[in-house]
Amino acid sequence: GESVGLHLPTLSVQEGDNSIINCAYSNSASDYFIWYKQESGKGPQFIIDIRSNMDKRQGQRVTVLLNKTVKHLSLQIAATQPGDSAVYFCAENRSSGGYNKLIFGAGTRLAVHP
Amino acid sequence: NAGVTQTPKFRILKIGQSMTLQCTQDMNHNYMYWYRQDPGMGLKLIYYSVGAGITDKGEVPNGYNVSRSTTEDFPLRLELAAPSQTSVYFCASSYLPGAPDDSGNTIYFGEGSWLTVV
Repeated sequence: GESVGLHLPTLSVQEGDNSIINCAYSNSASDYFIWYKQESGKGPQFIIDIRSNMDKRQGQRVTVLLNKTVKHLSLQIAATQPGDSAVYFCAENRSSGGYNKLIFGAGTRLAVHP
Repeated sequence: NAGVTQTPKFRILKIGQSMTLQCTQDMNHNYMYWYRQDPGMGLKLIYYSVGAGITDKGEVPNGYNVSRSTTEDFPLRLELAAPSQTSVYFCASSYLPGAPDDSGNTIYFGEGSWLTVV
């Protein structure tokens, strides 16, 4: 079936390095994608989003890249900090029965080491 | 700002018991959602609502029921609790289904409800 998934379940990086978290999706009709950060014991927090008519979008220290050809989404975090340690989810906006809904991928744990 | 408020925060249920997870939002959002998150896993959509009086099934609706009598409230009902329903439950709301508002925030999540069925 169609799904949103992640290539790597865990990612360990050194403080100060750049992090790249990947996500594959299979529903070519999805028009909107979001990255969320979830810290332990908390709900997901919005990081950045991108519409399907864009290839790249930048925020503060974060960049999302969308490659529709291969149905791939990535989140790049510059100068990773200990506070970036969390689980990161990609999500896609799917249309079904006339309504849209947000479907999440499995998540990638980012561990930042000093 | 209260945002999305869920209660209770923690609950232990016995198999076969029923309970309702409450969710309310004060942002006048049309869309509301219930997700469950199993340990080490992503969020799975249980039910969602596009407005008062309208609800629809998500990915994993079995064992749950919802209602949406007002814009603000979207309770999730477990009729016969099973161990497989042990999970963390998140309520969420948005203006539009996944579309960004001016602030860039889309779906607002509650803090979560930890449910254990024994």
